Amino acid sequence: ELKVEQNPLFLSMQEGKNYTIYCNYSTTSDRLYWYRQDPGKSLESLFVLLSNGAVKQEGRLMASLDTKARLSTLHITAAVHDLSATYFCAVDTITDKLIFGTGTRLQVFP
Amino acid sequence: EAGVAQSPRYKIIEKRQSVAFWCNPISGHATLYWYQQILGQGPKLLIQFQNNGVVDDSQLPKDRFSAERLKGVDSTLKIQPAKLEDSAVYLCASSLGDTWGTEAFFGQGTRLTVV
Repeated sequence: ELKVEQNPLFLSMQEGKNYTIYCNYSTTSDRLYWYRQDPGKSLESLFVLLSNGAVKQEGRLMASLDTKARLSTLHITAAVHDLSATYFCAVDTITDKLIFGTGTRLQVFP
Repeated sequence: EAGVAQSPRYKIIEKRQSVAFWCNPISGHATLYWYQQILGQGPKLLIQFQNNGVVDDSQLPKDRFSAERLKGVDSTLKIQPAKLEDSAVYLCASSLGDTWGTEAFFGQGTRLTVV
């Protein structure tokens, strides 16, 4: 059974700081997605990573995928309060089954 | 482009009652997913359809949950009878599927409270 784990589960960081969220998964896959969820809201697609070595950047967020290590990272640069949310990675299986990680709740404070 | 539509947005029922949720995916999307998200947890896949066929329902509690996707478009998810632990947000998502990528787009969800 595919397992997707994220760490940390909770991250409290000061504005202006950098940090990385990690997503590990247990089976071969070369398609991984990052989503953002605000409290009481649905999931918003952030990044689509479709091959080994893929790197995508949007504003202060950068996502990468290493399929050999079964690892994806979401790097936050110079955090701002608006980035406060819960971030999920999701891994695609051969049958297009999309399995979500445990989530990382990010809080950015002044 | 219209997004994934779900209804109702909120539902409160008593345990042992039945409830149904409706989802209209993005036009042209072959794959449709139903997820259950309990407060503080990640979405858990309940059932996945490809057109009107079931691809995976291994996590669906089939003694009480059922789902169908008529004509490969709209879908309904039913719970009968509901239990307290079914309180969650039920999210519907759709994607083009396979060759075109499986980036899933989510609806606003239905928040179910079982009392």
